[in-house]
Amino acid sequence: QVQLAQSGAEVQKPGASVKVSCKASGYTFTAYDINWVRQAAGQGLEWMGWLNTNSGNTAYAQKLQGRVSITRDTSINTAYLELSSLTYDDTAVYYCARASGSYYPFGSWGQGTLVTVSS
Amino acid sequence: SYVLTQPPSVSVAPGKTARITCGGNNIGTKTVHWYQQKPVQAPVLVIYWDKDRPSGIPERFSGSNSGNTATLTISGVEAGDEADYYCQVWDSPTRAVFGGGTKLTV
Repeated sequence: QVQLAQSGAEVQKPGASVKVSCKASGYTFTAYDINWVRQAAGQGLEWMGWLNTNSGNTAYAQKLQGRVSITRDTSINTAYLELSSLTYDDTAVYYCARASGSYYPFGSWGQGTLVTVSS
Repeated sequence: SYVLTQPPSVSVAPGKTARITCGGNNIGTKTVHWYQQKPVQAPVLVIYWDKDRPSGIPERFSGSNSGNTATLTISGVEAGDEADYYCQVWDSPTRAVFGGGTKLTV
């Protein structure tokens, strides 16, 4: 069955960077896009960015431009989200989500990774 | 960027019909997806392409989309339907947008 297994919780200081992984199994990794979505405590879902796992092409939410990077390693079926210059506002649960392509829904989600920014 | 507007909360008695709206400029020209999220869980897709249900989602869940409003309808609401619901569209082939979410109270 389709699974997206994310890396464990992280605690980072303000100004630092964090890298979260999303390991796919149960399907052909390069046949589906990966998106990253985050959710601060008590808040709604915020789309962060998109990755075409086949080409490596990416797109990011405008508010995160310059701080966010999404990459992949097709040899181990894993996508990565890296966020730099962390602030307290980046404290959130980060999800990876799979889509069949542009305009498709997010049919499968990772379990979420809590990133806490704390001094 | 494209904005989706949802009511913060909707309350409904068990067995009744809940309607959760998602407003956006000419949203009827876009395709809308809906997600259900229960506490401390990842979101789950409940309606895609405006009105289609993934396997395993009860027929009580339905969707529509026209003009400036998309609607998620839950008929015969059960206690287990209590959750946050989010609408989502693609603003471009590579940019997704979520609504602010609606808390459904049963």
